[in-house]
Amino acid sequence: DAKTTQPPSMDCAEGRAANLPCNHSTISGNEYVYWYRQIHSQGPQYIIHGLKNNETNEMASLIITEDRKSSTLILPHATLRDTAVYYCIASSNTGTASKLTFGTGTRLQVTL
Amino acid sequence: GAVVSQHPSRVICKSGTSVKIECRSLDFQATTMFWYRQFPKQSLMLMATSNEGSKATYEQGVEKDKFLINHASLTLSTLTVTSAHPEDSSFYICSASAPEETQYFGPGTRLLVL
Repeated sequence: DAKTTQPPSMDCAEGRAANLPCNHSTISGNEYVYWYRQIHSQGPQYIIHGLKNNETNEMASLIITEDRKSSTLILPHATLRDTAVYYCIASSNTGTASKLTFGTGTRLQVTL
Repeated sequence: GAVVSQHPSRVICKSGTSVKIECRSLDFQATTMFWYRQFPKQSLMLMATSNEGSKATYEQGVEKDKFLINHASLTLSTLTVTSAHPEDSSFYICSASAPEETQYFGPGTRLLVL
């Protein structure tokens, strides 16, 4: 799986959009970009994933650059409950389930 | 999203005893389940991958005789930490997935070995 690079930490004011970047310059054509988050002492929570096109769901939006070498997770209106470590993972999803390799992620701190 | 449960959520045991952790997919059939371990202030490390009805595949450095994994049904996988020692104290997390589907994680089990 392609390696991903994320900033170690970010701050965001409550109510503002949180934009979390991720670089995956060696991503291959069949690898998706997955985003998970982990709130302290809990299991990771799935947020969103995409291959080429931008994606949006009830939690977030995922913007993938045209060359697929980077992406941005957008939380449109961050709340205190969004404080967590966010992981960007590149993984193929063909055949049987593919394993996810977790890096160090971005620790997002949402403040009042 | 799909729901994955783990039991117990916390366990304390004496050194030398064995501990079994259950992982269940509650609303879907999980052909593949993964077991991770997370030490304080570190990221998740994959321990093993198990497919229903077959032997688990362990990551390099993970002792298969110490961490026994059974995936006997499409909704249940178990991880048994045999002869646990204090260095096995950690946060153990499972995930479950159907073919070509997203992985969903359980809430984790915190193991403390005294």
